[in-house]
Amino acid sequence: DAGVTQSPTHLIKTRGQQVTLRCSPKSGHDTVSWYQQALGQGPQFIFQYYEEEERQRGNFPDRFSGHQFPNYSSELNVNALLLGDSALYLCASSPQPGHKETQYFGPGTRLLVL
Amino acid sequence: AQSVTQLDSHVSVSEGTPVLLRCNYSSSYSPSLFWYVQHPNKGLQLLLKYTSAATLVKGINGFEAEFKKSETSFHLTKPSAHMSDAAEYFCVVSYGGSQGNLIFGKGTKLSVKP
Repeated sequence: DAGVTQSPTHLIKTRGQQVTLRCSPKSGHDTVSWYQQALGQGPQFIFQYYEEEERQRGNFPDRFSGHQFPNYSSELNVNALLLGDSALYLCASSPQPGHKETQYFGPGTRLLVL
Repeated sequence: AQSVTQLDSHVSVSEGTPVLLRCNYSSSYSPSLFWYVQHPNKGLQLLLKYTSAATLVKGINGFEAEFKKSETSFHLTKPSAHMSDAAEYFCVVSYGGSQGNLIFGKGTKLSVKP
C-alpha cells in the first residue's frame, strides 16, 4: 500500500516564476492538506481540499492556489515566487476532513527560490 | 488565536535515560493532540494521538503522552532513550469545529548521547 507521494522531490526556481507541486494521497484517502515548512520551523497550514473544493485556508496570500482532481490527487501552485517561498512543502492526506483524523504526510518537495 | 507551545527548542539526553518533551496548548472545548517525529531529510511520522478517549496515550517506539486538561499540557515521554530517537519532534493540535487543519509547535530537537 503506497503512502502519500509527492513530486518533484527538489525544485529550483527564480523570483517571479511560477511553480506547480503534485501530491497523490494514501489509498482510500479523499482529503488532502498542504503545509509549508520553512527552515528550522514547524509546518504551517496552507489549505485543505475535499471533494475537489478548497474547504479551509490558512494565512497565505492568493499567490498560493490549489486543485484537487477526481482521483483525489492534488496540486499546489505558487505564482510570482518570492525568496521567502523557499521551504519544504508537505502534502498530507486523511480518510476524511475533521479534527480527529490522522493526517499522513508525504516526504515533501524542497523548493529553492533564487 | 489557537496555538501550541513547545517549551524546549533542544533537549539532550544520554542513551538509556528518560526522555521528556514538553508541550502546552491553548485551551479549547475539544482539541485533538498529536506528536509527530521528523528524522533528517524524512517526512513526518505520527507517534501518537489523543482524541478525547483515554488521557494516557501510548504510541510507537515506546513513547507515550498524557493529556492533562487542567494544565493544558500534552507532554511526551519515553522511559529509556535510544540513539535512533534523535530527531525533531512536533507537538500538534487540531481544534473541534475545524476541518482538521493542524497547528504545529516550533519543534524540539532531541539529541541522544552515547
